[in-house]
Amino acid sequence: GAVVSQHPSRVICKSGTSVKIECRSLDFQATTMFWYRQFPKQSLMLMATSNEGSKATYEQGVEKDKFLINHASLTLSTLTVTSAHPEDSSFYICSASPTSGRAHEQFFGPGTRLTVL
Amino acid sequence: GESVGLHLPTLSVQEGDNSIINCAYSNSASDYFIWYKQESGKGPQFIIDIRSNMDKRQGQRVTVLLNKTVKHLSLQIAATQPGDSAVYFCAENTGANSKLTFGKGITLSVRP
Repeated sequence: GAVVSQHPSRVICKSGTSVKIECRSLDFQATTMFWYRQFPKQSLMLMATSNEGSKATYEQGVEKDKFLINHASLTLSTLTVTSAHPEDSSFYICSASPTSGRAHEQFFGPGTRLTVL
Repeated sequence: GESVGLHLPTLSVQEGDNSIINCAYSNSASDYFIWYKQESGKGPQFIIDIRSNMDKRQGQRVTVLLNKTVKHLSLQIAATQPGDSAVYFCAENTGANSKLTFGKGITLSVRP
């Protein structure tokens, strides 16, 4: 149980285009989902906290107009990288916190590798 | 600002030996700590967690030790196997919400 999927697993796009990444909790409901970004050889950096039915909370330094987050249901959150540039190339990872789980519990997705040419 | 960090960037151990991975944290308000394992190109995988009201917790082949006095967390892996090779992260939660702050990560390399 507690499986989180991401789609796509890899995406290559041209500079200036937008890319949407989906994060799904497959066998549980998640009121809260988190989006992280990880550059090579570095740690996970939290970008934003996504709550179902409300606006996402962004971490300091993360542009909310560039990284659009939508959490329309208890099993799906999407991250859209708008007008992507090469510096946005990174590994994007989501996690989901079960609605009825233990406090602070997070299950991570497999990540999405974004390459912007 | 406050942060979670690791002492060593890499650790190389012989297969069968025990591994100890250390982590220092600076936020004294943190009340929950987790160790994750991340293999190349994959998301983090939960290993073990510990709450601040405990100083030791054991799992299968793994033990987490928490020393709140010096704000130190360690992960011990017994009889390290080649499949343990990965990057290990500690993470902390301050209790205000479910947000996690990750440490810098340490690469564990197991020699056959």
